[in-house]
Amino acid sequence: GENVEQHPSTLSVQEGDSAVIKCTYSDSASNYFPWYKQELGKGPQLIIDIRSNVGEKKDQRIAVTLNKTAKHFSLHITETQPEDSAVYFCAAPPRGGTSYGKLTFGQGTILTVHP
Amino acid sequence: EAGVAQSPRYKIIEKRQSVAFWCNPISGHATLYWYQQILGQGPKLLIQFQNNGVVDDSQLPKDRFSAERLKGVDSTLKIQPAKLEDSAVYLCASSLTGVRGYTFGSGTRLTVV
Repeated sequence: GENVEQHPSTLSVQEGDSAVIKCTYSDSASNYFPWYKQELGKGPQLIIDIRSNVGEKKDQRIAVTLNKTAKHFSLHITETQPEDSAVYFCAAPPRGGTSYGKLTFGQGTILTVHP
Repeated sequence: EAGVAQSPRYKIIEKRQSVAFWCNPISGHATLYWYQQILGQGPKLLIQFQNNGVVDDSQLPKDRFSAERLKGVDSTLKIQPAKLEDSAVYLCASSLTGVRGYTFGSGTRLTVV
């Protein structure tokens, strides 16, 4: 099955700095890569996703880049704010792609933004 | 639209007792998932339903866990008997089709003592 590795496990930045979280995946057939944000006491919420036919996608202060050759994708948050503090998870579907509905999640990154 | 509803929010039980969790997905979402999230880890899929049929339960510990989705709407997940290692947050998610548009509920935090 799919194996998703996420780094770093914790990340501490000053408000206004950028934050980058990286994930690698094992299944070259994977074609959809979402990122989720989980705040304390809540379920994960989708914040951005990317399909394998594009290399980068941006939505205001967040962006995701994908390198299919190297099998890794990254989340970039610019101009970080204290409300960005949360746990972030990457995920990927196993062989068979999005139609099967399954997702394998990374271990999570605890992001702390200091005012 | 209303989100995915889960209850209870918290549950504390002794080992070997039984427990049940309830999930009401977003209206019209045919696919429903139960995930287990152990503290400090990412969610792990337990079971996936398409309408009222099971699509994937390969990672469900069937000797103690069971789930059903009668009438293709609400779902319940049961653990009987519970073990200490079952302490986790149990997340329910639903989607219209496939992985796009996954919506998670807030989860049920289970503590087994």
